[in-house]
Order: sequence, then structure tokens, then C-alpha cells
Amino acid sequence: AQKVTQAQTEISVVEKEDVTLDCVYETRDTTYYLFWYKQPPSGELVFLIRRNSFDEQNEISGRYSWNFQKSTSSFNFTITASQVVDSAVYFCALSDWGAQKLVFGQGTRLTINP
Amino acid sequence: DVKVTQSSRYLVKRTGEKVFLECVQDMDHENMFWYRQDPGLGLRLIYFSYDVKMKEKGDIPEGYSVSREKKERFSLILESASTNQTSMYLCASSPAGGGYGYTFGSGTRLTVV
Repeated sequence: AQKVTQAQTEISVVEKEDVTLDCVYETRDTTYYLFWYKQPPSGELVFLIRRNSFDEQNEISGRYSWNFQKSTSSFNFTITASQVVDSAVYFCALSDWGAQKLVFGQGTRLTINP
Repeated sequence: DVKVTQSSRYLVKRTGEKVFLECVQDMDHENMFWYRQDPGLGLRLIYFSYDVKMKEKGDIPEGYSVSREKKERFSLILESASTNQTSMYLCASSPAGGGYGYTFGSGTRLTVV
């Protein structure tokens, strides 16, 4: 069965600090997709990134970066030089190849204090 | 700007009432989903639909039903609302096939009193 675990329920840091959100997943499939979503206070989940299991290259987008390691079944998300606008709940999700449903982790509430 | 629209942002209903939550998408997506979000539990799938008039149970379908008469509209129905159905309800859509992310609506915060 598929499972996504985000062990960090809440994280609070001071602005400009770097912060890493952890995501560990379980799946029996060898091919799958991983996602990160951001949920700001407005409530709507916003898509951040999708990676497939064939591509273990790390990705960087501005202050955001993602570290995908199949050996440890992890897909961690790092925000560099955090800003108050990064405050949100962040969800990691998993989808098996060909599956049309996403399985979500419990979410991590990130608070960036000025 | 493509979007998923949920009819109500906040809703307060009484125990035993029949409640309809509406969701409309304008992206011609085949798949539509209803999740509920509760603190510490993340997002849990209630029902989903791959096509018009088709529906599949998710992980927590008890107490809910759905309707999809048109491709763009997916309704969640609480047949007899109970206080344990107080939650945030999120609708999402995606294209057919696997591996696509969802586009989400803004959510409906339902309180059953």
C-alpha cells in the first residue's frame, strides 16, 4: 500500500533562515510520481513540483530546492533564506504510475517569523 | 485563468440536514476528486470520478455520496449531516491518465452544529 509520512507537524523559524521539510514515502511500485503542494492561509493548494521515479536529479527553483533519494525513499523540500510569505502548510504526495489518485502526507505547518 | 470553483467558502448546517457541496472546473478535466482535510490527518479521499456518471469510493466514503451529471460539475452530498463531518472539504480535478497533479479549489469549511 502507498503511504506518505511527513513527520514534522509544525516548524517555526525566523525569517532568512533555511528550512527543510521532510517527506518519506512507501510504495511497492518501481515507477511513481512525487509531488509537493503549498496551502497558504487562503486555503487553496498550489502545485509546486512533480518528479518521476526515473529522475533522481535534484531540482532548484529560485529559493526552493528538492532532494529526491530513492535509496531512502525520501523527497525533501528546502527553502533557502525563508520569507514570511513562505508561511503555509506544505503537503507531500505520491501517485503510482498510471494511477489517477494522489496519496497525501499529513502536512507540515511552516511559520516564518519576522 | 483556469480554475476549480467551490460554491461556498463557509457553510454552517444543522445535524440531520442534507448538505450539497458543489464543485465546477473549467479545464475539461476527466477526473474530479473530493477530499476532506482535518488537522493531523492530512487530506483523505472521499470519492472520485473518472468520467460523467462514474464514481469510485475513496478511503472514507461513509456518510457521503456524489453526483456527476456533467463533466465540469462534481457534487458531494452529505445525506444526513453529523457533527463529525465538520471539516474542510477540498475539490480537485486532473486530466485523464496517471501522473498528473491536481488543480484544487479554495475549499469549503463546513461546520455542523
